[in-house]
Amino acid sequence: GESVGLHLPTLSVQEGDNSIINCAYSNSASDYFIWYKQESGKGPQFIIDIRSNMDKRQGQRVTVLLNKTVKHLSLQIAATQPGDSAVYFCAENIAGGTSYGKLTFGQGTILTVHP
Amino acid sequence: DGGITQSPKYLFRKEGQNVTLSCEQNLNHDAMYWYRQDPGQGLRLIYYSQIVNDFQKGDIAEGYSVSREKKESFPLTVTSAQKNPTAFYLCASSTGGPPNNQPQHFGDGTRLSIL
Repeated sequence: GESVGLHLPTLSVQEGDNSIINCAYSNSASDYFIWYKQESGKGPQFIIDIRSNMDKRQGQRVTVLLNKTVKHLSLQIAATQPGDSAVYFCAENIAGGTSYGKLTFGQGTILTVHP
Repeated sequence: DGGITQSPKYLFRKEGQNVTLSCEQNLNHDAMYWYRQDPGQGLRLIYYSQIVNDFQKGDIAEGYSVSREKKESFPLTVTSAQKNPTAFYLCASSTGGPPNNQPQHFGDGTRLSIL
């Protein structure tokens, strides 16, 4: 999962396994969360989002779970493929005030999928 | 195809020189954003703009300037006052912020290095 510091957390899985990437977000006032995938040398790619009035949302092969009680977000990837290898970031938006659309990003988790 | 185009992909700056990074979007998004990414870290917000002719400082605006004269364009100037400009710069856009947050979509970045 996410952590403070310069060394990114890493997760290594075998092709076909399910992957779970965790993120502890910082602000209890956050009301919108996004998961991004970033491949080397490219910009982050949107995967899935969830609003604070939900605790689970599913997409194609991905599920995001939100636990507001402990301020925890997770991304589950089913049947992980080598093409899923990348850095995964969670991002949160803090509601209200002048925080219009601003996102705060975690440091990322490196996912490596072995064939 | 609709998207966000950043140019150039690689840019080199001499000491004391200002450089401008281009960001163009044809998604008809109102909001645009500039982020800086350092190795092994998440994204940090430099500037953002909710609408044409308006922009706000982000968390690390010192040494940078922006303009928003057209809806589709949000150039970033890295000035000589920015003492550590070497980084990967990412531009993003979205349809807007609260209360109906929408995800930000990213370009593929410009990598800036000091000569």
